[in-house]
Amino acid sequence: DQQVKQNSPSLSVQEGRISILNCDYTNSMFDYFLWYKKYPAEGPTFLISISSIKDKNEDGRFTVFLNKSAKHLSLHIVPSQPGDSAVYFCAASAEAAGNKLTFGGGTRVLVKP
Amino acid sequence: SQTIHQWPATLVQPVGSPLSLECTVEGTSNPNLYWYRQAAGRGLQLLFYSVGIGQISSEVPQNLSASRPQDRQFILSSKKLLLSDSGFYLCAWRPARQTFMNTEAFFGQGTRLTVV
Repeated sequence: DQQVKQNSPSLSVQEGRISILNCDYTNSMFDYFLWYKKYPAEGPTFLISISSIKDKNEDGRFTVFLNKSAKHLSLHIVPSQPGDSAVYFCAASAEAAGNKLTFGGGTRVLVKP
Repeated sequence: SQTIHQWPATLVQPVGSPLSLECTVEGTSNPNLYWYRQAAGRGLQLLFYSVGIGQISSEVPQNLSASRPQDRQFILSSKKLLLSDSGFYLCAWRPARQTFMNTEAFFGQGTRLTVV
C-alpha cells in the first residue's frame, strides 16, 4: 500500500523553463510534506517543506503547493537550471504515526541546456 | 552543528555473510533515527525507525534487524545476507517531535551494499 505516489518517473525540461513535479498521497493523517533532491550515490538533501495548515510555501526558485482536498502536492522549480538535474522525492509525515517520513518513488528530472 | 556519519560507503559481501552498518549522529540529543533502503531504480523504503535507546520499530518484514545501543548510534545488521539485500542504505535523523514545529530529516551519505 503506497501512501505517497509520484506517478511520473521522469521529466525532461529545457533550461530556463518551469519544472513541475507532482505527488499524491492517500493518508489523510499526513500533516507535513517535504521535497528532497538526490544525486546518485549520495544521501537526499532537503529542499522545501509545507505544513498542512498552508497551501503554498516559496523559497527562491522552489515553490511547493498543497491541495489538501485533492491530497495532492506539487513542486515548481523556476527557472530550471542544469544543476537541478537529479531525482526528486516527495515525503510526508504524520504526528500521530511516530513522525516517520514516508517517501514517494521519485521523479528523475533532466534539465537540458 | 549537527552531523551524521554513516559507514562504510561501499560494501561487497558474499551471500550468507553477516552485515553491520553503523550510523552516528553528533550535536543533538534524543534524535529520531531511521534506516531507509533504495533498491535500484526505486524509491526510498523505510526499514526501521527509533524514537529512543532500545526502541526499534520495523516497517517491513525482512532479513535485517536494527539496534540502538546508544542515544546517537543506530546499527543495521543481518546474520545472513541474501542477494535481494543489495541496495543503497541510508541512515537519517530528525529532531524529536516538538508540539508546534516540524522539521526535515537529515540523511547520511549512504552505503552501497552489493551482495554477490
